Amino acid sequence: GENVGLHLPTLSVQEGDNSIINCAYSNSASDYFIWYKQESGKGPQFIIDIRSNMDKRQGQRVTVLLNKTVKHLSLQIAATQPGDSAVYFCAGSKGSYKLIFGSGTRLLVRP
Amino acid sequence: GAVVSQHPSWVICKSGTSVKIECRSLDFQATTMFWYRQFPKQSLMLMATSNEGSKATYEQGVEKDKFLINHASLTLSTLTVTSAHPEDSSFYICSARAPRDLSYEQYFGPGTRLTVT
Repeated sequence: GENVGLHLPTLSVQEGDNSIINCAYSNSASDYFIWYKQESGKGPQFIIDIRSNMDKRQGQRVTVLLNKTVKHLSLQIAATQPGDSAVYFCAGSKGSYKLIFGSGTRLLVRP
Repeated sequence: GAVVSQHPSWVICKSGTSVKIECRSLDFQATTMFWYRQFPKQSLMLMATSNEGSKATYEQGVEKDKFLINHASLTLSTLTVTSAHPEDSSFYICSARAPRDLSYEQYFGPGTRLTVT
């Protein structure tokens, strides 16, 4: 089956620095990936997505990189702000619209 | 646009009783809704996929007779936890897919915290 997982459970960064959150997946058939942000007690919030025919996609302050060779996905947050503190999940899909979530990384932003 | 609501936001019930959680797409029609369960400090685990007008598709290991899902309209899906037990205490989250273009995007509700005493 599909498996999407994260390397680090917690990432602590200084306010203003860039953050990089990583995710590995095992199923090469996955064709769509999304990054979600979840604040405590709330539902996931869409950040950015990328299809498997792309290797990079940029949004406002965020960039997602996809390396299909090593089955690796990353989320880069520029100029990290206190409001970015949350748990970040990557999720993957292989065409069924069904998303499989990774284990999550908690991002802590130090003032 | 693309707002999904859940009701209630939290509920406490006694062991052995049933609890119904509603998931509504407020400004779009959702042919497909998904139900997830999330335990503390863990990821979201898909429980079932709910299609309007048809039976839900449950993930392996999820008891369909315990977690009853009804998707009676294009804007409402319900999850009923029957004969709840303390181990059912969790954060239940729904999502809805807006059938536009070929988007895979799912819009998530705010979640429902269930505590079974």
